[in-house]
Amino acid sequence: SQQGEEDPQALSIQEGENATMNCSYKTSINNLQWYRQNSGRGLVHLILIRSNEREKHSGRLRVTLDTSKKSSSLLITASRAADTASYFCATDAGSSNTGKLIFGQGTTLQVKP
Amino acid sequence: GAGVSQSPSNKVTEKGKDVELRCDPISGHTALYWYRQSLGQGLEFLIYFQGNSAPDKSGLPSDRFSAERTGGSVSTLTIQRTQQEDSAVYLCASSRQALIEDTQYFGPGTRLTVL
Repeated sequence: SQQGEEDPQALSIQEGENATMNCSYKTSINNLQWYRQNSGRGLVHLILIRSNEREKHSGRLRVTLDTSKKSSSLLITASRAADTASYFCATDAGSSNTGKLIFGQGTTLQVKP
Repeated sequence: GAGVSQSPSNKVTEKGKDVELRCDPISGHTALYWYRQSLGQGLEFLIYFQGNSAPDKSGLPSDRFSAERTGGSVSTLTIQRTQQEDSAVYLCASSRQALIEDTQYFGPGTRLTVL
């Protein structure tokens, strides 16, 4: 079963607007990661946030983590058409050092030029 | 060297046939992961390798699925007697070690279609 649930499932915005995607998970975690996928193929790692962190930034990306609510959000600021992709959160589900990831269902983002 | 590569990129097969999917990880990466992504779904963990051993095979859907890794490098995922529900994109990833914080680098995937 999937660890993460993401919402919205699909998001359509205009270029320049901000996009916010949310992820909820069920079990305790060591860290949470966000990945991006273009055209249903390989995933690209975006950012990792540890369970003892609350917020992290990378360029136009801002990730928050609320372990009390078991949720995370990914904010993309000043979106561009090139940001059109699917975005997935992934957790380790608190497992020991295996690297095994449990992925959410993903949010499909469309940025209109 | 280059990133993770997978072959073939697309595979169409008939129900009941066996298929082999190949993954070439990034050189030096000791950990290798297989995931499956069905249409419009998230990724489903199948199996991972640390070196040549597979400590976690918990995600393999049935005994028709097997995987091996030789020489700590290339891995093959074999599906025997394929079924239509096996149709999916099979993604491989590698990381330096099988640690929680090691970034996994994904290959482009193999799109399997079982007719």
